This record gives sequence, structure tokens and C-alpha cells, in this order.
Amino acid sequence: NAGVTQTPKFQVLKTGQSMTLQCAQDMNHEYMSWYRQDPGMGLRLIHYSVGAGITDQGEVPNGYNVSRSTTEDFPLRLLSAAPSQTSVYFCASRQPAGGGEQYFGPGTRLTVT
Amino acid sequence: LAKTTQPISMDSYEGQEVNITCSHNNIATNDYITWYQQFPSQGPRFIIQGYKTKVTNEVASLFIPADRKSSTLSLPRVSLSDTAVYYCLVAMNNNAGNMLTFGGGTRLMVKP
Repeated sequence: NAGVTQTPKFQVLKTGQSMTLQCAQDMNHEYMSWYRQDPGMGLRLIHYSVGAGITDQGEVPNGYNVSRSTTEDFPLRLLSAAPSQTSVYFCASRQPAGGGEQYFGPGTRLTVT
Repeated sequence: LAKTTQPISMDSYEGQEVNITCSHNNIATNDYITWYQQFPSQGPRFIIQGYKTKVTNEVASLFIPADRKSSTLSLPRVSLSDTAVYYCLVAMNNNAGNMLTFGGGTRLMVKP
């Protein structure tokens, strides 16, 4: 199993540009999440999904959209990039009965200038 | 959501046992206690999870007292490669909301 994969690894955007961060998992996990981590800080939940077709907002959803058309994929869209969205983005997945045991991807480092 | 409190940082030396305590005073009946490890430029990695008493795996032990208002992650005989940030979380076993909240974590520095 590849686990949780994320692309791209690095991205530089100009203010106002849009882009999609890709996340895929091959463990057939129902639950998937997106987090952002600012330098020296903990992770903050952006959006999450409990299954295909179902998404909900986390702590910091503004400026981001998600969709879940398949169990495997959970893309994160930045609608109009802002410097405040400069961060490392992590995607994670888990099973419903897994408690807190999540599997994280390697992250996407995004810089918005 | 149960909020967790843990020390910002800890120092240790190679070969020592390290105990990191996390406080979670308003933990709910259905909450599990979970610990993650994160190295720089990597995603967090699950270490251990428990509900009560003691859990041990090949990496660490987790001690949870009867009132469950705190927990202690124990790393036996640490090495330099254990230098990382350690996060304590509480989460329901079947949390449909999937709202796992990471605090600031404990930055562990292991010295030679």
C-alpha cells in the first residue's frame, strides 16, 4: 500500500491564483481530513469528510473548498490564494472506529507571494 | 472537544527514559487518548492509543490513571532519533465529526 499520497510536494502561488492540492489513499478509509500547519505550530483542521459525497468544515475553513466524489480522493481547492495561506498542508485518513489513529500524507509546502 | 495541555518542551539524554504527561480534565466517557510523533518536514505519525490503565507497544507505553484526566507517554531509552514533537489528542472511538484537535505539542530534544 502507498498509504496517503499528496501532490505536489512544493508549490509557489501568487496572490489571487487558485490551485488544487491532491490527496489520495489506498486503504479504503472512510474518513479523510485536511490540516494546515504554520511554522512552529500544531495542526489545524480545515475540512473533513466521513464518506464519499459528505464533507464538513473544521476549525479554519475560510478560503478553501473540498469535495469527495470517491472514497480514495479528497482534493483541497484554494479559491483565491492569500499570503496568510502560506503553510504546510497535510491530508490524513482513518477508519471510523479507529479512534484517533490517523494516517498522514507527507505534506504539501505552499508559499503564497 | 476535550482540550489537552502538555509541556511545551523537554530535554533528555540518550539512554534515558522520557515521560511526557498530558492533561485532559474534561475528557468524555467515549474519548480515547492518542499520541503522535512528528519529525521536521514530515506528517505526524501515530504512536499509541489507549482508553484506560496501561498500553504498551514496540515503541512506547501509555499510562492512564483511573480518573482518565491525564495520561503519560513513556519512551524507554531514548536515542537522538527520538528528537521530535509529540502531540497528545483525545478522540471518540467513532467520532463522526472527525474533529481531532492538535494542540501545540511537546518538543523533545534528546542530547548525546
